[in-house]
Order: sequence, then structure tokens, then C-alpha cells
Amino acid sequence: RKEVEQDPGPFNVPEGATVAFNCTYSNSASQSFFWYRQDCRKEPKLLMSVYSSGNEDGRFTAQLNRASQYISLLIRDSKLSDSATYLCVVTGGGNKLTFGTGTQLKVEL
Amino acid sequence: GAVVSQHPSWVICKSGTSVKIECRSLDFQATTMFWYRQFPKQSLMLMATSNEGSKATYEQGVEKDKFLINHASLTLSTLTVTSAHPEDSSFYICSAPSYNEQFFGPGTRLTVL
Repeated sequence: RKEVEQDPGPFNVPEGATVAFNCTYSNSASQSFFWYRQDCRKEPKLLMSVYSSGNEDGRFTAQLNRASQYISLLIRDSKLSDSATYLCVVTGGGNKLTFGTGTQLKVEL
Repeated sequence: GAVVSQHPSWVICKSGTSVKIECRSLDFQATTMFWYRQFPKQSLMLMATSNEGSKATYEQGVEKDKFLINHASLTLSTLTVTSAHPEDSSFYICSAPSYNEQFFGPGTRLTVL
């Protein structure tokens, strides 16, 4: 079983739609959780950290369920520029990141 | 935020040659840097942790004699792919932490013919 699992997609959604991605992780000792965004042939960029209480940044909302070892990302009012691969990332402490395979999102007119 | 540069951006080489990739933290010091590899449609896979002034720590399955890592200063780590073969063709990315956040270099796309 992979340490971090994501549905690879692609998810094709119309502009303005609300879309959610899920991620599960296998290591119950994982301490920190993130969503990164990666555009084609580019490096990953931090989208947001994920906290147990849930957190929101503009159109993006992240949730963490430690009991179920489950992380989610919700994107509201999706824009064409949101098209990218979204990577679920966990750490076990320290700076060592474990990446999921990513979920590809395509926002269409 | 902090900036990490990586050179070259891309390289095409013949099988059997060695390729060096540089990763620099431009406005901060990094005692630790990380090297990842990403094959098409796959996740970033951590190859090794580069430690300034000491040996790198390699992940399971990564050959330390093939992927030589040198972290000679607080702002520079290098990855040398020795005797590269077509199966080494990949996107190589480095990262460095600053204030609990990872900053990634722009990546190096290696194509071995």
C-alpha cells in the first residue's frame, strides 16, 4: 500500500464548479499535512497547510481527519487557472516530505 | 518566500556520460537539502537527503554510487548522475527547508539518449 494515496483523475469540471479531492495516508504517526500544486513540467508549490481544525484560504478549504487518516481539499468557484495537479503531502516530523501521486484537475469553459 | 535555483534546467546527454545538477538556496542557508525524482505521471520520489558537511542519506533502492551527492556549502548541493542511461531520464527536483516550509527548485529535466 502506498504511503499517500490519491485518485489520479483527471477531473474535468466547468468553470465555476466546486470540486473536492481526497487523500489517505497510511502512517498514523504523520505529523504535518499539506496540499501542493504542480503545473505541467514545473516544480511543486505550496498551496496550503492542513490543520485538524480545518482551514480556509480564499476559495480553498482543507480538512484533516486524523482518526480516518484522511485529508481533503475543496475548491470553490473554480477558475481556468486552477487547472493543475494537486499533490497531497505528509511528513513524519522533520522536513522529509512524502508525496501522493497527485490528482489532475482540468477546469474547462 | 525563499528562493531555490537549480541548474541546468534541462540536459540531453549520451548514454554513459555523467551529468551534474546544482541546487542553490539563494537567500537563505540550508544545512539540509532534498533530492527528488519524478517520472512522467508519477509522484515525486525522495532519492536522498543532502547534509552539509557530511554524507548524504539515501532512500531505499537508490544507488549511492550512481547518484553522487555533495553538499559542500550551506547554499549549494550537487547531484551527479554517473554513467547515465536512458532509464535515468527523469525530472530531478531539489528542495530546501526554511522556517518549516519546503522551497523547491524549478527542476532539471534529464534526457539520456
